[in-house]
Amino acid sequence: AQRVTQPEKLLSVFKGAPVELKCNYSYSGSPELFWYVQYSRQRLQLLLRHISRESIKGFTADLNKGETSFHLKKPFAQEEDSAMYYCALSSSGGSYIPTFGRGTSLIVHP
Amino acid sequence: NAGVTQTPKFQVLKTGQSMTLQCAQDMNHNSMYWYRQDPGMGLRLIYYSASEGTTDKGEVPNGYNVSRLNKREFSLRLESAAPSQTSVYFCASSLQGGQPQHFGDGTRLSIL
Repeated sequence: AQRVTQPEKLLSVFKGAPVELKCNYSYSGSPELFWYVQYSRQRLQLLLRHISRESIKGFTADLNKGETSFHLKKPFAQEEDSAMYYCALSSSGGSYIPTFGRGTSLIVHP
Repeated sequence: NAGVTQTPKFQVLKTGQSMTLQCAQDMNHNSMYWYRQDPGMGLRLIYYSASEGTTDKGEVPNGYNVSRLNKREFSLRLESAAPSQTSVYFCASSLQGGQPQHFGDGTRLSIL
């Protein structure tokens, strides 16, 4: 069975500090990993996906198949990064059920 | 361009009542999804529709039914509401399967 684990419910940092939101997954096939973000009073939105190898709003995430992880990182946190972040897993083909982690609330203090 | 539109935004029901949550997308997406969001549980998939004319169960389908009325619309029905179904419900869509790309604003549903 596929599973996404976000071990931290809450992560609190100061502005300018590095941020790492952890995500671990278990899946027997070839996974596709995603990060979503939900800012206060806004819709949930797709932040980035591992296949794109992109940097969005200063965030990056690298898929580590050996450690089955897809941690989200940003070198210098900003107050506007405060939001709920969800890691999600899908498969690269065939039938699947997209799976979300339970989310990590990031608070960036001034 | 509205994206994904959900109605209603809020609703209070009594146990045993029925209700249909409506969702429509205007992006010509093939796949649509219904999720529920509960504190500490993240988003759990209720049902999804990979393409027009098909629907499949997700992680928590019990107590729900869905209809993919056409390519634009995907409704979620609670036939006999229960307090355990109190939640925030999100509809989402994607161009072609995989993870959802766009979400609606959500429907906050309370069942007394």
